[in-house]
Amino acid sequence: GAGVSQTPSNKVTEKGKYVELRCDPISGHTALYWYRQSLGQGPEFLIYFQGTGAADDSGLPNDRFFAVRPEGSVSTLKIQRTERGDSAVYLCASSFSGGAGLNEQFFGPGTRLTVL
Amino acid sequence: AQSVTQLGSHVSVSEGALVLLRCNYSSSVPPYLFWYVQYPNQGLQLLLKYTSAATLVKGINGFEAEFKKSETSFHLTKPSAHMRDAAEYFCAVSAPHSGGGADGLTFGKGTHLIIQP
Repeated sequence: GAGVSQTPSNKVTEKGKYVELRCDPISGHTALYWYRQSLGQGPEFLIYFQGTGAADDSGLPNDRFFAVRPEGSVSTLKIQRTERGDSAVYLCASSFSGGAGLNEQFFGPGTRLTVL
Repeated sequence: AQSVTQLGSHVSVSEGALVLLRCNYSSSVPPYLFWYVQYPNQGLQLLLKYTSAATLVKGINGFEAEFKKSETSFHLTKPSAHMRDAAEYFCAVSAPHSGGGADGLTFGKGTHLIIQP
């Protein structure tokens, strides 16, 4: 079956521009996570959706970052007034949250964002 | 709050030798613990996970990890390294929710495993 997909795979933009990164989770997965991985570092949690609502957005670095998931499936991460420090690989993951116990997060291939 | 420390940004072992990748965690609640592997130009793949059941967890590709609460450790081992094990390995922790599911993962900085022929 199809895994988590992310588009675009690569995005090059100029400082100050606006970008949108898209994530298509595995069908039926109710939880969706965004992470950011800078060069030589582990992924850093940004935001977590349960259905349409953001259950935890404590990892968003500042108000230039925003994410939506209007229908509880596809999610878009939006970055305004991009800065060179935003350059990283942005990872999306999804999981099925139902009942007790842990549900594995499945990761997409990521979007590599480069801000010139 | 949670944190993860992976000792050694690079570990080099000979093919056929024991692999030991170290991970220590900090968590204010009983944690869930994970090891992920990232092969070059590929996405993160789950190797194994600890969710408060058996303390010795077996994963894919012959890897296993032991949860030691007294040492706050979750080291990853494999008895005999293969060339195909060369990759980046990440330890991660999350806090469980009372109603099921879990928070976002907190990752360590990763350990690059090098296999010498």
